[in-house]
Amino acid sequence: ETGVTQTPRHLVMGMTNKKSLKCEQHLGHNAMYWYKQSAKKPLELMFVYNFKEQTENNSVPSRFSPECPNSSHLFLHLHTLQPEDSALYLCASSQDELYNEQFFGPGTRLTVL
Amino acid sequence: AQSVTQLDSQVPVFEEAPVELRCNYSSSVSVYLFWYVQYPNQGLQLLLKYLSGSTLVKGINGFEAEFNKSQTSFHLRKPSVHISDTAEYFCAVRLAGGTSYGKLTFGQGTILTVHP
Repeated sequence: ETGVTQTPRHLVMGMTNKKSLKCEQHLGHNAMYWYKQSAKKPLELMFVYNFKEQTENNSVPSRFSPECPNSSHLFLHLHTLQPEDSALYLCASSQDELYNEQFFGPGTRLTVL
Repeated sequence: AQSVTQLDSQVPVFEEAPVELRCNYSSSVSVYLFWYVQYPNQGLQLLLKYLSGSTLVKGINGFEAEFNKSQTSFHLRKPSVHISDTAEYFCAVRLAGGTSYGKLTFGQGTILTVHP
């Protein structure tokens, strides 16, 4: 595997379910990100992790819970979501702060029923 | 806080024609600027970036962009497009330096459709 991978690629869940999204980067980067991409809206940064420490929480509701066990893996735990949370969730990673070239995964298409 | 406006939500163009996708930004301090492309069912891929130096930046797939500080613009251009350029294009900005680690602000996106 190369680059940034995300699983699953598609997820359908009910509002009472608990599920997790997984992201893995094989680039040796130190920072990882979660973004939400909704139709007709700009990409929204949700969380940033740098060397496994959370450095940004962009006022994300607590029903989204990130976890970064090491610099290569990032999870997004989901529980009691709402239909408006349906979106494409993108993971990204970057080497360092200065150049900030972010490499994106293919995303997980989430549908909340 | 910084913001980004992509002036066109959709741009249709014929194959081999030139194209310009417009991006304006707002910031009270110096910024870095980026263009990303997203093909259907894929993540975003970096096309090019402006950090400093020459205001004309060349990227992958024959794209280029020009940073215009006085007009706060960073328009993306390609002299001759291909069918394979059909995708959504995102302009993004982040503050140069400071503590906003990794914080990119994206525009709403422009869907480029290349017709045969």
